Amino acid sequence: AQSVSQHNHHVILSEAASLELGCNYSYGGTVNLFWYVQYPGQHLQLLLKYFSGDPLVKGIKGFEAEFIKSKFSFNLRKPSVQWSDTAEYFCAVSRHSGGGADGLTFGKGTHLIIQP
Amino acid sequence: SQTIHQWPATLVQPVGSPLSLECTVEGTSNPNLYWYRQAAGRGLQLLFYSVGIGQISSEVPQNLSASRPQDRQFILSSKKLLLSDSGFYLCAWSVMGAGGEAFFGQGTRLTVV
Repeated sequence: AQSVSQHNHHVILSEAASLELGCNYSYGGTVNLFWYVQYPGQHLQLLLKYFSGDPLVKGIKGFEAEFIKSKFSFNLRKPSVQWSDTAEYFCAVSRHSGGGADGLTFGKGTHLIIQP
Repeated sequence: SQTIHQWPATLVQPVGSPLSLECTVEGTSNPNLYWYRQAAGRGLQLLFYSVGIGQISSEVPQNLSASRPQDRQFILSSKKLLLSDSGFYLCAWSVMGAGGEAFFGQGTRLTVV
């Protein structure tokens, strides 16, 4: 079975600071990778995803993530954060085989607080 | 466009009472459907998934069950709730063969007292 580890449970940054949230996964086969975000009072929504191809993927709101296969990592980055980025961030994987129909495995999440 | 409806938004139930949470998806056919539970500091845990009517797979043994009586309807149930069933329950759907990208409902906050 696959597992996902997010290194930081709580991160506090000032506006305009750079952001990097770590994510590592464990699985013996090929995975699809995702970052989801949950803003306060809102539903979980997709930030970005990686299935194949260019390991550097760009998502919404200026976020990007890099898949490093040798490190089993998919870290999320943003060069300059804004107060509106305050949210809970989740890394997730699905098994590539079977088209991911058997669901996502999530990390425990990172609570990001941006101070104005 | 596709939408997912999940209700109720909040629920307070006594220990030992039954549970029924309903989720419906509009604007798509033959979706994969999921129930997740989100606990503070523990991320989202997959409880059940379904790839078709009447087809239910359980990921974690527990006091809950799921059913899919119609193509776009997914129900989470319990005959007798336990205190440990308290949590935030999320329904989600994905497109068959699309790699597992899931779209989530607003969730139900269940408190068992």
